[in-house]
Amino acid sequence: NAGVTQTPKFRILKIGQSMTLQCAQDMNHNYMYWYRQDPGMGLKLIYYSVGAGITDKGEVPNGYNVSRSTTEDFPLRLELAAPSQTSVYFCASSLLGGTSGYTFGSGTRLTVV
Amino acid sequence: AQTVTQSQPEMSVQEAETVTLSCTYDTSESDYYLFWYKQPPSRQMILVIRQEAYKQQNATENRFSVNFQKAAKSFSLKISDSQLGDAAMYFCAYRSALRQGAQKLVFGQGTRLTINP
Repeated sequence: NAGVTQTPKFRILKIGQSMTLQCAQDMNHNYMYWYRQDPGMGLKLIYYSVGAGITDKGEVPNGYNVSRSTTEDFPLRLELAAPSQTSVYFCASSLLGGTSGYTFGSGTRLTVV
Repeated sequence: AQTVTQSQPEMSVQEAETVTLSCTYDTSESDYYLFWYKQPPSRQMILVIRQEAYKQQNATENRFSVNFQKAAKSFSLKISDSQLGDAAMYFCAYRSALRQGAQKLVFGQGTRLTINP
């Protein structure tokens, strides 16, 4: 009954470094999403996936990459980190494309210095 | 493109009282879903309540209820008998129902709710 698990919870990166944010769900959801939440703002969609092997861009995909090799896992890769990527990142999953809402992970707070 | 607006950055209420959080949205679609999410200090996003636009009846979940005014494009959340555990950031969100498959949630900016003991 873990739901959506994100690791790490916190991370500090230096400008130009790269890292992967991990996301795993155990609910057999086909749909998975990555959002970012900037201070005082709502969430914006980075990438999403409708199933293993299928991914697509959201509103703010620049500077990120994703892969979906299994139903359970949906990692987000940051290449050449920039201060503008300082944010809280949320992974989410859903059945039925989200008509019943999403299940969110607890987020990763990333600071790029 | 759809937009969601929460015009109250912060609200406060006395414990046990009732508070209403406002949300308006802009869309040209007739069929969609609306949600309220709660984000406590733990950062976890928790679904509070969901409304289907084609249903006229307002959704309720225990102490939480909505006032859905489709013509006015308004979707307010009422919290009755406020409890200290209700303190959180609340987000209103919209999802189109026009197409199947993954559809993004469009979020408002959030309202921070404080409960005064």
